[in-house]
Amino acid sequence: EGQLVESGGGLVQPGGSLRLSCAASGFTFNKYWMSWVRQAPGRGLEWVATIKEDGSEKYYVDSVKGRFAISRDNAKNSLYLQMNTVTAEDTAVFYCAREGGGYQVWGQGTLVIVSS
Amino acid sequence: QVVLTQSPSASASLGASVKLTCTLSSGHSSYDIAWHQQKPEKGPRYLMKLNSDGSHYKGDGIPGRFSGSSSGAERYLIISSLQSEDEADYYCQTWDTGIRVFGGGTKLTVL
Repeated sequence: EGQLVESGGGLVQPGGSLRLSCAASGFTFNKYWMSWVRQAPGRGLEWVATIKEDGSEKYYVDSVKGRFAISRDNAKNSLYLQMNTVTAEDTAVFYCAREGGGYQVWGQGTLVIVSS
Repeated sequence: QVVLTQSPSASASLGASVKLTCTLSSGHSSYDIAWHQQKPEKGPRYLMKLNSDGSHYKGDGIPGRFSGSSSGAERYLIISSLQSEDEADYYCQTWDTGIRVFGGGTKLTVL
């Protein structure tokens, strides 16, 4: 079925930057669209960004457009999320997820806290 | 833009059945969805893909107690023979070109 492992979360100051990574294994990474989904404390799941198998198409929720960038390295079976100009509203657990009729595989999440 | 609506909470007794509802917004009744389960302090888990015709395809290891059905703009997750470990948040999710959408989630309490 596959496995996803996120890393790169932590404490970042408002206005700062952070890069999240997601390592994929157990499936053919370059055959799947991939996404980032976040969950603020006590809140529901929120889609953040999605990237096509070959990286040629990328989509973002309006609240992160121009600040976040999704990318992938198929040679390294890895997905990334570059987060810039973060605010307190970006505090959340970030999950990477594999698409295929919904999110079939989820990572365990990495926590991002935006605070001074 | 498609919107998914879920009731915030539901409850049912141990051993009983429960039907959770996810409603697609007007004009989007043909959309397929997915159901996910999230237990406290855990990441989400994929349960199934549920098509508009009611056919559904479960993820690996999902018990037979979980099933799905569809009627018009309504998508249902049915859990039979409820067990204590079924107490969790349940999210529906759908997709379209350039967008992915989650419902607000339903918190299921097993009494």
